Amino acid sequence: QITLKESGPTLVKPTQTLTLTCTFSGFSLSTSGVGVGWIRQPPGKALEWLALIYWDDDKRYSPSLKSRLTITKDTSKNQVVLTMTNMDPVDTATYYCAHSWQQLVLFDYWGQGTLVTVSS
Amino acid sequence: EIVLTQSPGTLSLSPGERATLSCRASQSVSSSYLAWYQQKPGQAPRLLIYGASSRATGIPDRFSGSGSGTDFTLTISRLEPEDFAVYYCQQYGSSMYTFGQGTKLEIK
Repeated sequence: QITLKESGPTLVKPTQTLTLTCTFSGFSLSTSGVGVGWIRQPPGKALEWLALIYWDDDKRYSPSLKSRLTITKDTSKNQVVLTMTNMDPVDTATYYCAHSWQQLVLFDYWGQGTLVTVSS
Repeated sequence: EIVLTQSPGTLSLSPGERATLSCRASQSVSSSYLAWYQQKPGQAPRLLIYGASSRATGIPDRFSGSGSGTDFTLTISRLEPEDFAVYYCQQYGSSMYTFGQGTKLEIK
């Protein structure tokens, strides 16, 4: 059974760096073709893909946010970490991590999401 | 960047009716790398369809996807009460993996 869970701060101040951790079980991020991605959703708005890391440490970033994002993995801990610098109120959103397969940016299992509010 | 435009924005139907949701891409989606997700309030999205027409594990066969190139459709043959939700399409064939803005399927 594949499960994922996001953790991190619920409130950050403008200009701060956000660090989110995705802790997963039921699969290994050393299995060929497997990846873990991050997607966010501002309140009442659509989904936006942010980043993804594959089993072989290949990393993909949204071109519009690439300069602010870093994604890393710790295979031994079954964790993926996303950092986003220079946070702004427009970054207020629910942040999801999700499992992908077949080396595709396509998500079949999702975490419950964590709401991050950016406010002073 | 491939822009996905979903229509209609809101669809009002009754249980038992057929629902047809559209997703149009600004450029051709390579290899039909188009997926559909369902999202209910307060929940994470759920993968329904991938590869334009393949149902994900555990998805009822009343859900079907079709299309290629720039025009894709999600059809729900007979609506059940639990199908009323927001539906998103996503393309994963280019390096900017975009989602549509969503179609809200509401009870009439």
